[in-house]
Formats: sequence, C-alpha cells, structure tokens
Amino acid sequence: GIQVEQSPPDLILQEGANSTLRCNFSDSVNNLQWFHQNPWGQLINLFYIPSGTKQNGRLSATTVATERYSLLYISSSQTTDSGVYFCAVIFMDSNYQLIWGAGTKLIIKP
Amino acid sequence: DAGVIQSPRHEVTEMGQEVTLRCKPISGHNSLFWYRQTMMRGLELLIYFNNNVPIDDSGMPEDRFSAKMPNASFSTLKIQPSEPRDSAVYFCASSLASGALAKNIQYFGAGTRLSVL
Repeated sequence: GIQVEQSPPDLILQEGANSTLRCNFSDSVNNLQWFHQNPWGQLINLFYIPSGTKQNGRLSATTVATERYSLLYISSSQTTDSGVYFCAVIFMDSNYQLIWGAGTKLIIKP
Repeated sequence: DAGVIQSPRHEVTEMGQEVTLRCKPISGHNSLFWYRQTMMRGLELLIYFNNNVPIDDSGMPEDRFSAKMPNASFSTLKIQPSEPRDSAVYFCASSLASGALAKNIQYFGAGTRLSVL
C-alpha cells in the first residue's frame, strides 16, 4: 500500500490565503522532511521535522509522530509559494532511504 | 556554502551516446545520493554512497548506468549507451552522517534535465 500519502493533490488559492498541506505515513519514522519544488525544478529544504513543531517565517510545520501525520502551514500565500510540496520520510527500519509522497501541487493566483 | 553543485543543468543527446552527469556535494558531507525524477515514477533513489563507498545501488535501473565517487568532493553518474526512456531530471543530494544516519538532512542540487532523442 501507499507508504506516504499527501493531500490534497492539487490546491489553487488566491494570493494572501492560508493553506494546510497534509502528509500521512504508514509506520514509525526517524526522519521527515518537507521540500518545495519550485517551477524551475529546484528542490528546496523547508523543514526537518520528525516530531514537534517548527516555524520559519510564513511557513510552519507540525508532526504528530504517534498519529503518523505531518502538517505544513502556509500563511499569507504569495505567488512565489507556487510549486509542488513534497513530504519525504525515513522509516525506522532504514537509515537512509527517503520514501517520498506524490506531492501537493500548489498554485497561488495574483 | 555553495550547496550541492550539479553540472550540466541541461543535457540533450542522441540515443546511443554516452552521458556523464557530475556532482559536487556540500563540503564536509560524507553521504551522497543520486536520484531520478520522472512524471510517471516520481523521485527514485538510484545509488547511495557513504564515505565515497557505494552502499546501495539497488536502484540503478540496469548495467547501462554506473556511478563513481573518486573522492569526497566529486561524483559522476554515467549512462552508456543512453536511451530515450532515460530522459528525466537527475538530482544529486548530500548529507552529513553523524550518529544515526537517518536523522540527517539531505540537501539537493539543482538537478540535471536530460533529454535523449
């Protein structure tokens, strides 16, 4: 079955709106990363967050490891936030293999 | 730090030709990963090096693909001969393995977009 599931698959918002992206994973993890792939294809690290909550400017993330999900919050969206957001995890039975979700494609309209 | 540096950014070649992709990891990092991204299969791990030694090459699709890491600051991914189905974006990533490797953060290069005609 699907090991890392992201939702929604697509999201279209107006500039200034807030959004919540979700990542569910099937087993215990010791590494969870959120990435932003911009329209030019670059993969940018957003958060390393196997548990707890972190904030960086307009972005924040929360991982509830016991319930096997992580949330990425984007507040006051800007057009530069457009792109695909990936969640990737390393399950406890591995020590380097990142397992990727299918991504959430976010389009911010001006 | 300049981050992970990949070259070339774009490569267009004809079927049957040899293709060499290059990667310079972040200075001080001791783990290096090669990934391939396609629309159909998403991001796939091709090979993982730790301290310049290939640890897991189970993701390398076939013998036409080979990867080397002659020193801590350079790696190559070679495809010989190339085929149209190899067209994809190839990413290199590096991390610093200290303690439990899984807890380390992988940083990605800008990728090489390969088109095989």
